[in-house]
Amino acid sequence: DIQMTQSPSTLSASAGDRVTITCRASQSISVRLAWYQQKPGKAPSLLIYKASTLESGVPERFGGSGSGTEFTLTISSLQPDDLATYYCQQYDTYPLTFGGGTKVEIK
Amino acid sequence: QAHLVESGGGVVQPGTSLRLSCAGSGFSFSDFAIHWVRQAPGKGLEWVAVISYDASNEYYVDSVKGRFTVSRDNSKDTVYMQMNSLRPDDTAVYYCARIAVGGRNYFDIWGQGSLVIVSS
Repeated sequence: DIQMTQSPSTLSASAGDRVTITCRASQSISVRLAWYQQKPGKAPSLLIYKASTLESGVPERFGGSGSGTEFTLTISSLQPDDLATYYCQQYDTYPLTFGGGTKVEIK
Repeated sequence: QAHLVESGGGVVQPGTSLRLSCAGSGFSFSDFAIHWVRQAPGKGLEWVAVISYDASNEYYVDSVKGRFTVSRDNSKDTVYMQMNSLRPDDTAVYYCARIAVGGRNYFDIWGQGSLVIVSS
């Protein structure tokens, strides 16, 4: 199985800060990576697919990059509404696997 | 607008069975594979299973193989997950999710989730 490792597990930042979350795959997955946002008590929602393609309707302050085994999700200017847990997911191979999540807190 | 709605969750004893349903609306249900993803209380997301658009293929995570079975009835725009021999570590919110347009295995539509608690 492909293991997905996210870091950090928690981060605290101020509104307006640039925030970066890293996701590493245990083997190459090309660009078959998605990012999701899960707000407290809600279902996840798709932010980015194919490592860097923004889902329709997602604010442009969210961006993704990377290929192979290393990927990043960047929030260019953190907003209070971005309070959530963020997950990466590989869709290269079954079983599909998720990273452990990064909880973003607003200072 | 596309929607998925899960139902059928509840509290059950270890070793018993439960069937979850996932009803779709607002899109051509029979064109899309449907996945199940679960989330144990306070934990992360775990992919569980998938059924192809025409029910010709299914895949499962190892921990549920032989115990969970996914099926679908496209005439009712509904996918089912039969869960047998339930264990306490199956306790989770179970989400159904639609494969994205284009056929890649990421999820653009999620249901609201159905809570399953396995406890004696």
